[in-house]
Amino acid sequence: GENVEQHPSTLSVQEGDSAVIKCTYSDSASNYFPWYKQELGKRPQLIIDIRSNVGEKKDQRIAVTLNKTAKHFSLHITETQPEDSAVYFCAALLSGGYNKLIFGAGTRLAVHP
Amino acid sequence: DGGITQSPKYLFRKEGQNVTLSCEQNLNHDAMYWYRQDPGQGLRLIYYSQIVNDFQKGDIAEGYSVSREKKESFPLTVTSAQKNPTAFYLCASSTTGYGNEQFFGPGTRLTVL
Repeated sequence: GENVEQHPSTLSVQEGDSAVIKCTYSDSASNYFPWYKQELGKRPQLIIDIRSNVGEKKDQRIAVTLNKTAKHFSLHITETQPEDSAVYFCAALLSGGYNKLIFGAGTRLAVHP
Repeated sequence: DGGITQSPKYLFRKEGQNVTLSCEQNLNHDAMYWYRQDPGQGLRLIYYSQIVNDFQKGDIAEGYSVSREKKESFPLTVTSAQKNPTAFYLCASSTTGYGNEQFFGPGTRLTVL
């Protein structure tokens, strides 16, 4: 079946450093790629998404890049802060008419002061 | 955080019992989803529904059942046929259409004793 691979599974950075999380997907017809942030004990929340008609999208300290040829997309967080500590999930929306997301396994990001 | 609610927050079940998890939304969304979250495995789709009285199996539907009698409600029953039901269960909803944001509920943590 279709799948999304996410790396790394854990990431530890110092406050102020950048963090990069990478995902690859298998459904070449996927055209929508959201990123969710889940703080401990809370619900996942959408932080940024990208559609296949653009290669990069930015929102303040967060950016996502997409390489459709390589079936690869990445989340970039600059100037990390302790409140960025959370689990981040990438996802790819399958083609075929239903709004069905396939999630990566998640990356636990720890930002140390 | 309002809009989509789940109850109860914690649920304990004895082996061999069926339990039903509640999910309600007042966002006027047509589509609703149930995910299971296990450590290190991301979110896996159990069932989804695009409209009242219609639902589809996701990737891990065995041992689960759902109903969609009202637009606002999408209850999930974990049956005794589910071999490893201990997990965190998340409900989500969205408008229909490709690539529309899924909004998550706060989740129910089910533990089988």
